Amino acid sequence: RKEVEQDPGPFNVPEGATVAFNCTYSNSASQSFFWYRQDCRKEPKLLMSVYSSGNEDGRFTAQLNRASQYISLLIRDSKLSDSATYLCVVNMGSSASKIIFGSGTRLSIRP
Amino acid sequence: NAGVTQTPKFQVLKTGQSMTLQCAQDMNHNSMYWYRQDPGMGLRLIYYSASEGTTDKGEVPNGYNVSRLNKREFSLRLESAAPSQTSVYFCASSGGGVPLQGYFGPGTRLTVT
Repeated sequence: RKEVEQDPGPFNVPEGATVAFNCTYSNSASQSFFWYRQDCRKEPKLLMSVYSSGNEDGRFTAQLNRASQYISLLIRDSKLSDSATYLCVVNMGSSASKIIFGSGTRLSIRP
Repeated sequence: NAGVTQTPKFQVLKTGQSMTLQCAQDMNHNSMYWYRQDPGMGLRLIYYSASEGTTDKGEVPNGYNVSRLNKREFSLRLESAAPSQTSVYFCASSGGGVPLQGYFGPGTRLTVT
């Protein structure tokens, strides 16, 4: 089993739709969680951190379910500009070598 | 303020050739990192430097060496390139101990034939 698993997609949804991705992780002692966005042939950029209580940033909502060991990202009222790959990142320890990146979920928004 | 810069952007090598990927940051960050990204896989840590003068192995260090030249610069060297090292290489930096809230460079696309 991979340490961090994501559905690779692609998710192809119409503009204005709501879309959600999940990401599961294997280490129950994982400490912190993040979503990154990566545009085609570009570098990853931090989208948002994921807090235990859940957090929202505009149209984006991130949630953590420690009992079931997954995090989720919800995008409401999706825009064409949301088309990208979304990477789940889990910090499983106290050093950089314990930061595990998922392989990403590709999202394509159609007009 | 350029953030994190990487050179070159693209490179094609023949098996057995050597090269150095350069990375520099102008944010006065202590920590710098080298990752590789392959299709269908997440970013994998090659080496990192938590502070000037220190370097540590990541998940996939074999075939690579690094140098933390000063606080700004962190280079990655391939001594004898192999086709398995064909990948996109990203450098990152952060102010804290982990890159999670840091910045990535634009990447170097390396092909080894």
